[in-house]
Amino acid sequence: DQQVKQNSPSLSVQEGRISILNCDYTNSMFDYFLWYKKYPAEGPTFLISISSIKDKNEDGRFTVFLNKSAKHLSLHIVPSQPGDSAVYFCAAHSGAGSYQLTFGKGTKLSVIP
Amino acid sequence: DTGVSQNPRHKITKRGQNVTFRCDPISEHNRLYWYRQTLGQGPEFLTYFQNEAQLEKSRLLSDRFSAERPKGSFSTLEIQRTEQGDSAMYLCASSPSQGGVAEAFFGQGTRLTVV
Repeated sequence: DQQVKQNSPSLSVQEGRISILNCDYTNSMFDYFLWYKKYPAEGPTFLISISSIKDKNEDGRFTVFLNKSAKHLSLHIVPSQPGDSAVYFCAAHSGAGSYQLTFGKGTKLSVIP
Repeated sequence: DTGVSQNPRHKITKRGQNVTFRCDPISEHNRLYWYRQTLGQGPEFLTYFQNEAQLEKSRLLSDRFSAERPKGSFSTLEIQRTEQGDSAMYLCASSPSQGGVAEAFFGQGTRLTVV
């Protein structure tokens, strides 16, 4: 039972345009959400996060939006750059003293020059 | 190199053999995590240590798996009587005690292939 779902395995975007990566979750206990970026042969790298008490968090070119009622979050990258080409994982944390993250399957983003 | 270090990077073993992986976290990090990632999936949580205490374990961590962090520094993950289904990337991460899960830094992983 996938509690964090990334339904798009891949996404291609032209350089300079916006990339939108989507993530849905089913567990209402999740209270903190994260996006990780992973290059081949490297471990995941933390990118940006959002608490469930917010609906938006921005960090430079990266913005995460959270829609709690829809149990949906999205990562916007604008403008997209070729170096953004990687696999992006959505992850969720349920708090309450747990340090476990639940990850989605990932979306492979390709930014075309 | 001050990042999370995992050894070996690759391990090929025959079914039924035991294997042990090592993780050296960032030196001042008290928290250490193990995850497993299979092909086409995201990382799956295995276990969490605060210093030497193992505080959280996933049901994925069957009795063939054991993790230790004897002095609160490096950690080992042992798999006994390996099975082909154990083939995966095993990821270690660490974070400082004053941070949350977002501050976890991942290592490059150990890729296990069971033949």
